[in-house]
Order: sequence, then structure tokens, then C-alpha cells
Amino acid sequence: DAKTTQPNSMESNEEEPVHLPCNHSTISGTDYIHWYRQLPSQGPEYVIHGLTSNVNNRMASLAIAEDRKSSTLILHRATLRDAAVYYCILRDQGTGNQFYFGTGTSLTVIP
Amino acid sequence: SQTIHQWPATLVQPVGSPLSLECTVEGTSNPNLYWYRQAAGRGLQLLFYSVGIGQISSEVPQNLSASRPQDRQFILSSKKLLLSDSGFYLCAWSEGQRNSPLHFGNGTRLTVT
Repeated sequence: DAKTTQPNSMESNEEEPVHLPCNHSTISGTDYIHWYRQLPSQGPEYVIHGLTSNVNNRMASLAIAEDRKSSTLILHRATLRDAAVYYCILRDQGTGNQFYFGTGTSLTVIP
Repeated sequence: SQTIHQWPATLVQPVGSPLSLECTVEGTSNPNLYWYRQAAGRGLQLLFYSVGIGQISSEVPQNLSASRPQDRQFILSSKKLLLSDSGFYLCAWSEGQRNSPLHFGNGTRLTVT
């Protein structure tokens, strides 16, 4: 049921920017793009979401392609605390409010 | 502000025993409520969701069931646990609007022995 595709794992050096990609080629016009991250043994934490325009908040930035078939989560300066599994999901209002998670991207931050 | 409470944090149960996990949300009304399960090293699997009292949608047929007896209370149950029911169970809530994010509880680590 997951409608997004992400790389299984990525590495980044500490204090460098990280670009986490997500493909969602079957996205519909009403789907919001959400990003969450999960630290070990914790529940996922909301990071950011958007519809069409790029979004910024204190945690990250979200860049959405013009055709909305892909998006990129940008962590501007990776820290060791950013090591987590990052999930990109679509909120599908049309089929009843489900949130389907894929397997996500496991981000390793190298000191 | 809204908060979500999920308990217990850890649980060890023998095969064939019943299960009841409870989740409550405070600070909001008529939330959408969700139960997810995460097997070791795997992604999150949506088990049940509810858009209102008594309204339960099941995503995966199995020996688990869910109930929503009150607006902000969501319960996950089983009459007889299987070994395969072991995992990390997460409750979550969201507003009904499609631009509203999910908020997760701290989870219950269930080990069936």
C-alpha cells in the first residue's frame, strides 16, 4: 500500500547538508506529502509536510518537484542526533485518511 | 496542547493469552486514531484506523481487533496471541483535515513467548 519509494540507506558527514529523496509518481492532486523520522525504540516524529510549494521549518526544508512526482527532505546541517529512519508518505484524503508507511531511508551520520 | 498516552510501555505475554493495549488522546476532539505495528527491523504496518466512535477500519486480516468506545480512546485487543504478534505497537492520532500530520505515542514493545 506504500505509494512512495525511498533509498534504503544513506550516509552523511556531520555538519554537512543531507538531501533525502522520495519518489511518488502516482501522487494525486489532493495528496499531501509528509515526512517523519524514527529514532531507535521510539515512535515516529513529524518532520514536515507540503502540497505544492517548498516548505521550511525549524527542523528541515521540503523541496517538491514541479510535477509533484518526487520530493526531497533537506537537513541543512546534519548532526549525530539526526541519525534515524526517515519516512516519506502521502496523506490520501480520498481513500479514507490512511497513512501508509514504506520502509524508509536509514540515515547514518558520520562524525 | 494535545497529548497521546499509550500503555504499557513493555509487555511479555505467553502464546494463547489475551491482549489489551490502550491509547488515549487529550486536548482534541473527534480525532482520527490509528494502530500500527512494527516488526523488528521493519517498517510500520497500518493495522486499524478509526474516524469516529464505533467506526473501525481493518487493514490487515489477523487475530487482532480494535475498538473505540469513547471519542479519544482506542483499544487494541486479541483473544489469543500468536508468536507472530510480537512487535512494537504504536498508536497515533491526527485531525481529519488532509494537511494534518500524525502524532505518535511512545509505543508498546510486545514480546510473545
